[in-house]
Amino acid sequence: GQNIDQPTEMTATEGAIVQINCTYQTSGFNGLFWYQQHAGEAPTFLSYNVLDGLEEKGRFSSFLSRSKGYSYLLLKELQMKDSASYLCAVIEVTGANNLFFGTGTRLTVIP
Amino acid sequence: EAQVTQNPRYLITVTGKKLTVTCSQNMNHEYMSWYRQDPGLGLRQIYYSMNVEVTDKGDVPEGYKVSRKEKRNFPLILESPSPNQTSLYFCASSLDGGAQYFGPGTRLLVL
Repeated sequence: GQNIDQPTEMTATEGAIVQINCTYQTSGFNGLFWYQQHAGEAPTFLSYNVLDGLEEKGRFSSFLSRSKGYSYLLLKELQMKDSASYLCAVIEVTGANNLFFGTGTRLTVIP
Repeated sequence: EAQVTQNPRYLITVTGKKLTVTCSQNMNHEYMSWYRQDPGLGLRQIYYSMNVEVTDKGDVPEGYKVSRKEKRNFPLILESPSPNQTSLYFCASSLDGGAQYFGPGTRLLVL
């Protein structure tokens, strides 16, 4: 089974840095994804971590600690268009690769 | 353009009237899946397919059927829809069960 937790809502200021945390409990962990979803649209892939450490991609970075069951998504130089939901998802290997999503963190960027 | 398409995008139907939501991808991906997204519950996997003629249940398969006769298509079938199947449905595909590319979504209302 799996249990994925992330904050429901966050607010941050344009130009600032925000960190969105995700904790998980799962058996057969095989990687963690972050997706961005604007209201009324499909989720879009942001990052994938399978090994411990930080993966940086432009303004977005994602960190994973497998021993702690913890990840975070770091957004730098926030822009208004970053207002969206951010979904943490864990791949669990139980005979096949199943992807389980958290309920998402709705980020609001204010001027 | 690489994409996942779904049809219809919006559908209103009545209880018990069979319906099919089509999904097609042009990326030659092996892995396809269906999700439903409900407020407060996040994305939940309904069914997935790792290849042609190979399908398996996800988290919430009750009341749904799928088929995978060709690599590019993965239709979702509701034999006898009920109001609790009112939801936003997403089809997704990936090369190997990793980073998934989502279709635009189908908003279904069952009266």
